[in-house]
Amino acid sequence: NAGVMQNPRHLVRRRGQEARLRCSPMKGHSHVYWYRQLPEEGLKFMVYLQKENIIDESGMPKERFSAEFPKEGPSILRIQQVVRGDSAAYFCASSPLGDVGTFGSGTRLTVV
Amino acid sequence: AQTVTQSQPEMSVQEAETVTLSCTYDTSESDYYLFWYKQPPSRQMILVIRQEAYKQQNATENRFSVNFQKAAKSFSLKISDSQLGDAAMYFCAYRSGSNFGNEKLTFGTGTRLTIIP
Repeated sequence: NAGVMQNPRHLVRRRGQEARLRCSPMKGHSHVYWYRQLPEEGLKFMVYLQKENIIDESGMPKERFSAEFPKEGPSILRIQQVVRGDSAAYFCASSPLGDVGTFGSGTRLTVV
Repeated sequence: AQTVTQSQPEMSVQEAETVTLSCTYDTSESDYYLFWYKQPPSRQMILVIRQEAYKQQNATENRFSVNFQKAAKSFSLKISDSQLGDAAMYFCAYRSGSNFGNEKLTFGTGTRLTIIP
């Protein structure tokens, strides 16, 4: 049973471009959490999704950020018109109901 | 809102010795869970140990144990017989127990642990 797969592992974008980060949950997991880790900081919750539903987006910036978890395929965190301050490591964790989940290895986004 | 504080940005310990990492938290809830995660240079977040607030007994996982002081809102991690592979960032995290179905975590800022050979 493969773990939580995140890709790409590293992503470089120029300011103003779009970034798409993918998270494939573990088999049988229907819940996904996204976190952001700024340099030298802890992880901060962004959004919690179940299949086809956003359950809690209280940590998502109001603009430029969106997330989805379709019925088929990976969860996607999308950042439009990236700025330097978006540079961070983005982690997802997947779980069955009632568990904090298993983390992926993260995607490091660098905005140049 | 809950907060988690790790007041030690860096710690070091001699190989085979014991080290304790501190964590305090603030909450008005009575039902919650606490966790320690390890993040090595590979960036993988690895669950080290977890503690349910309703349990008085401190959790233990091999060389890792916690000292959970609920009244003081303190949750320290003790690593015994430190090994080179223990070198990593360690994060303390909190999860509310009152919102079943939403297991989002609140993390502290981390402690970087160095093992001295």
